[in-house]
Amino acid sequence: EVQLVETGGGLIQPGGSLRLSCAASGFSVSSNYMSWVRQAPGRGLEWVSVIYSGGGTHYADSVKGRFTISRDNSKNTLFLQMNSLRDEDTAMYYCAREREDYGLVLDYWGQGTLVTVSS
Amino acid sequence: DIVLTQSPDSLAVSLGERATINCKSSQSVLYSSNNKNYLAWYQQKPGQPPKLLIYWASTRESGVPDRFSGAGSGTDFTLTISSLQAEDVAVYYCQQYYNTPRTFGQGTKLEIK
Repeated sequence: EVQLVETGGGLIQPGGSLRLSCAASGFSVSSNYMSWVRQAPGRGLEWVSVIYSGGGTHYADSVKGRFTISRDNSKNTLFLQMNSLRDEDTAMYYCAREREDYGLVLDYWGQGTLVTVSS
Repeated sequence: DIVLTQSPDSLAVSLGERATINCKSSQSVLYSSNNKNYLAWYQQKPGQPPKLLIYWASTRESGVPDRFSGAGSGTDFTLTISSLQAEDVAVYYCQQYYNTPRTFGQGTKLEIK
């Protein structure tokens, strides 16, 4: 059974750093494209970043230069390192798998971890 | 970036009636090489992550009831719920995965009338 479990969220002051983790089971993170998607309270969905199976990465302009996506293949875990956090980064952060045979649609999502940036 | 605009923003439909949500893309999401539209629909209920309903614009994900259907091509798409059930109350999002950045529509809130 495919499962994604995010951890690492919390309350952080503006300018601070946080690292989110997404532990996967039932499939290999290294063999799939994996994305982070966020949702500010009461708002819509915003794609944040993707890591390709080959290791390449891509970021939304809103987080480029501040966030870094990575993975640990031995732990089958995806990460999102978030630096220089701003108020507008406050959101629920979801990790999701991109299913290649569906054209890279987001077919499985975790339950999310909440990041609150506030002084 | 591809902009997806959903309409309406909210919708109230009676139980058993049809609900239709529209999604318009700022550019085509149809790949001519495989004739597939890289457009998906998700359902999000309160306190839950999004759930994939439809991919390739019209292919239902496994386990999704057949009252959900997707249609359209190029830049104009629709999600239809043929006979609304109480459990269908949710926010629905379209998303393009034609290119990066992947983008979502703003969401349509579906309620019972």
